[in-house]
Order: sequence, then structure tokens, then C-alpha cells
Amino acid sequence: DTAVSQTPKYLVTQMGNDKSIKCEQNLGHDTMYWYKQDSKKFLKIMFSYNNKELIINETVPNRFSPKSPDKAHLNLHINSLELGDSAVYFCASSPSRQLLLRGYTFGSGTRLTVV
Amino acid sequence: GQQLNQSPQSMFIQEGEDVSMNCTSSSIFNTWLWYKQDPGEGPVLLIALYKAGELTSNGRLTAQFGITRKDSFLNISASIPSDVGIYFCAGQLSGNTPLVFGKGTRLSVIA
Repeated sequence: DTAVSQTPKYLVTQMGNDKSIKCEQNLGHDTMYWYKQDSKKFLKIMFSYNNKELIINETVPNRFSPKSPDKAHLNLHINSLELGDSAVYFCASSPSRQLLLRGYTFGSGTRLTVV
Repeated sequence: GQQLNQSPQSMFIQEGEDVSMNCTSSSIFNTWLWYKQDPGEGPVLLIALYKAGELTSNGRLTAQFGITRKDSFLNISASIPSDVGIYFCAGQLSGNTPLVFGKGTRLSVIA
């Protein structure tokens, strides 16, 4: 039973399209995150949600819009995709943002390729 | 944004050798974590450190939280082929901030 699951695992799309990536966690965690990993493997925080409420929004273009229908789900919608959006996107969760007893649990990533 | 300086960037070692990698920062962190990422997978937590000076082991892995709270190292003893991967340090500045990651150390083990 996967703790943090993301779909799809691979996504190839053309520039200008709109796409969504879904994330679900079955750990009962309160806080969920989206990270972007570039071609050099650098992991950078994009968004953080706590109990469906947006608490962190780093300097991410407003073409990226996270949505959390409930605390077990955090989806990422991207409008007007650009070549530079190509990366691996990781969803993660933690029991809360204030306690870091076990760190974050990551999904296996979604590799987005914009052509 | 806040940066963690992780070194070395990559390492090639013989099976059986010991490995050491470290992270430093100009800021004080209240938590340091070490993750490993295998190809096609997300990072997996190896060791978490919460107190300055803390030394923690997990099998062949040992990590320490620097006394100044600005650095940490990870040692792997008697490396084996499955140790291959990218190792990341990560830190949390305060209870409400998200994890910040180092740029990773890519480990290759030659059998």
C-alpha cells in the first residue's frame, strides 16, 4: 500500500498545454508539499499545504496552481506549459509542519517533459 | 533562498571502502536530515538529527549534527553496490519552515 502516490509517473506534453498531476497520501498526515527537481537534481520547495490551507508559496509562476480538496490530496495544475517546466515533480507529506519526527515522506515523482 | 552547501558533488569508491559527505550552512538549523534517492524514485529518509552534537547510527550509516547547528556529516562504512544513489542533506530552519535540501552527493560504488 503506497504511502504517497502520484499520478502520472511520466507526462509528455506540448508547449502551451494545461496539465495536472495528482497526489494522495494515506498516512493521515496534515501537511503536504510539492517540490521540483531540476536536471541537476536540485530539490526546491514550491508549495506547502496544511489541512487544505496554503501556507507556503515560493516564487513559483502563477501558471502553477495547487489544489487541496481534502487533507489527503494535493494536486498540481499547470497552465500554458513552457519548456522550462520540464522537471521531476515530487509530492511529499509530513505529520505536521511543526513536528519533524520522521521527516517528509516522498512520492516516487512525476517526470514532466514539455516538447 | 536559504542554501545548504553539500560536498562532495560526486564520489567514486571501491566496494568495501568507507564514505564521508557533509553539509554546511551559514544559518542555524533546528533539524538536519539525510535522504537517499534511487533512480526513478523519491528521496527516502535515512537519518534524522534533532539536537546539536547528536550522533545517530542506522546500520552502516552514521550521521552527526554539528555543535554549532550549522553543519552535519554522513558516514557510510564498508560500502556495498546497493549504496549507489544520490544522498541529500536537508534542514529545517524553524518549526514552520519547509525542508531545504542540499544539492546532493552522487555516490558510485565499483565492485
